[in-house]
Amino acid sequence: GAVVSQHPSWVICKSGTSVKIECRSLDFQATTMFWYRQFPKQSLMLMATSNEGSKATYEQGVEKDKFLINHASLTLSTLTVTSAHPEDSSFYICSAREFETSKYEQYFGPGTRLTVT
Amino acid sequence: RKEVEQDPGPFNVPEGATVAFNCTYSNSASQSFFWYRQDCRKEPKLLMSVYSSGNEDGRFTAQLNRASQYISLLIRDSKLSDSATYLCVVIRYSGGYNKLIFGAGTRLAVHP
Repeated sequence: GAVVSQHPSWVICKSGTSVKIECRSLDFQATTMFWYRQFPKQSLMLMATSNEGSKATYEQGVEKDKFLINHASLTLSTLTVTSAHPEDSSFYICSAREFETSKYEQYFGPGTRLTVT
Repeated sequence: RKEVEQDPGPFNVPEGATVAFNCTYSNSASQSFFWYRQDCRKEPKLLMSVYSSGNEDGRFTAQLNRASQYISLLIRDSKLSDSATYLCVVIRYSGGYNKLIFGAGTRLAVHP
């Protein structure tokens, strides 16, 4: 099956710093990538959707200036958490969709656990 | 009200038991439905699709009732390896994309 990787798998940073998380599709071209956030014992919440070469579409309540998304190529999307605060500590998961295969199926990355101290 | 509601559990069952999970969704425009499985601190993985006609895959059976906006998952002959959180997912077309809307999950613990 299709493989999606994320880097780093976990990161600890100090409040006020920025953190970049990478999401890569390893064996397919991802025309669309999705970024999710999951707090403990809660559901995955979609943060934003991005298409290669265009601006991301953010869900209601997600600050686009705080969570910067770049989808510069068909195999890489990045999420940068700017000026991170402890409340941003969460599990961030990306997923990727290959348009030609299925309009619904998304392949998930292993997630990045962010802790802001 | 959440768009996808699930009983959080946990369901603690012995090996070999049959267990059923329920899920309701509020948006009648939802198009497709799935069950995902998520292990602790891992990404969700697709378990199976859900159809009105029912869908069976080995020990797992999923059912959709569109009129009641209700989805179910039945696990027969539970194994220790079935212990995980089961996520009910609906697809909604919004903003030009088909989006996955996740329930908070139902936790299953199978014990010897």
